[in-house]
Amino acid sequence: DAKTTQPTSMDCAEGRAANLPCNHSTISGNEYVYWYRQIHSQGPQYIIHGLKNNETNEMASLIITEDRKSSTLILPHATLRDTAVYYCIVPFNKFYFGSGTKLNVKP
Amino acid sequence: DGGITQSPKYLFRKEGQNVTLSCEQNLNHDAMYWYRQDPGQGLRLIYYSQIVNDFQKGDIAEGYSVSREKKESFPLTVTSAQKNPTAFYLCASSIGRGAGANVLTFGAGSRLTVL
Repeated sequence: DAKTTQPTSMDCAEGRAANLPCNHSTISGNEYVYWYRQIHSQGPQYIIHGLKNNETNEMASLIITEDRKSSTLILPHATLRDTAVYYCIVPFNKFYFGSGTKLNVKP
Repeated sequence: DGGITQSPKYLFRKEGQNVTLSCEQNLNHDAMYWYRQDPGQGLRLIYYSQIVNDFQKGDIAEGYSVSREKKESFPLTVTSAQKNPTAFYLCASSIGRGAGANVLTFGAGSRLTVL
């Protein structure tokens, strides 16, 4: 299974874009990249997923590099409620969640 | 509304006792999963089931057992053989498996404390 690498934590000013990187250099050609977030003591929430094209929904945008070895989740206008742990996962048959990136949105 | 219901939300257990955590979904999902989360850590997969009457061990299955007799139910039993069971337990489900788009829906979690 492909594994992912994310920074442990990041800070972002409220109202600014939050760019969360993820490295998945061992990804195979048919594996999707999924992003979830977990607000303290709650179950994780699905955000977005993609295969090779950039994706956008009401929550975020996902930019995947052409070689698919890395991706970036973009929260265009971060709010205090976006403070959470963000997980990038590349599942195939099973879903492995690492430690994710703790995003701190500051006023 | 469709979703996943976990119960109980909080559970206290004495050492040596078995305890069963409930997970029910009305999403008509085929696959279901159990994760364990320790404070400040990520999620670790305990068991998963891709179809009724079938389940597979995850990374940390020792001391746990599951059953999948019905599509909508996937209970987890924490046995006395689990050395450090105090943790936050999360149940999830998805439409299926494979390379396609599978989105996990999580329950609210069950917090188990061993006294």
